Amino acid sequence: AQSVTQLGSHVSVSEGALVLLRCNYSSSVPPYLFWYVQYPNQGLQLLLKYTTGATLVKGINGFEAEFKKSETSFHLTKPSAHMSDAAEYFCAVSEAPGGYNKLIFGAGTRLAVHP
Amino acid sequence: EPEVTQTPSHQVTQMGQEVILRCVPISNHLYFYWYRQILGQKVEFLVSFYNNEISEKSEIFDDQFSVERPDGSNFTLKIRSTKLEDSAMYFCASKYVDANTGELFFGEGSRLTVL
Repeated sequence: AQSVTQLGSHVSVSEGALVLLRCNYSSSVPPYLFWYVQYPNQGLQLLLKYTTGATLVKGINGFEAEFKKSETSFHLTKPSAHMSDAAEYFCAVSEAPGGYNKLIFGAGTRLAVHP
Repeated sequence: EPEVTQTPSHQVTQMGQEVILRCVPISNHLYFYWYRQILGQKVEFLVSFYNNEISEKSEIFDDQFSVERPDGSNFTLKIRSTKLEDSAMYFCASKYVDANTGELFFGEGSRLTVL
């Protein structure tokens, strides 16, 4: 069965500092990996995704993530945090994009950005 | 940009009442999903729906829940007799039939409060 583990339910950084949100997955087949962001009282918005090809993927708002098969990880980073990045971030895995395959979400990491 | 729309945005109901949450998926999408998020917790899969039938459902999706696509545009989640523990944000999602993405597009959510 697939699963996602997000280390750290809360992460706090200063504005301008590096953001690193950790995600490890478990999957019996090559995974497709996603990061979604949820701003307060809003829905889930796709930040970025890894399906095949280049293991470093870039998303919106300056975020990027690197798929490391050997470490079963898909950590999310941003070089310089902005106040507007404060939100909850969810890592998700899907076995394959085709068919009705669902996404399995991690527990989420709430990012706080301080001035 | 096409989006998934959900109504109502917030519903308050008495325990034991029936609730119907409505969703209009993106028009050319063929896979539909319901997820729920209890306050402060992870996003949990409820059910997936394709070709007018349930493709997969989680253990949360018991006999109190049902889904329907009554016409060519709406996708509904019905909770027959609500319980206090059904209080949550319910997200509808849809997916295009495209083997290269796997991305789910989420609505803004419907917040259900059961008193």
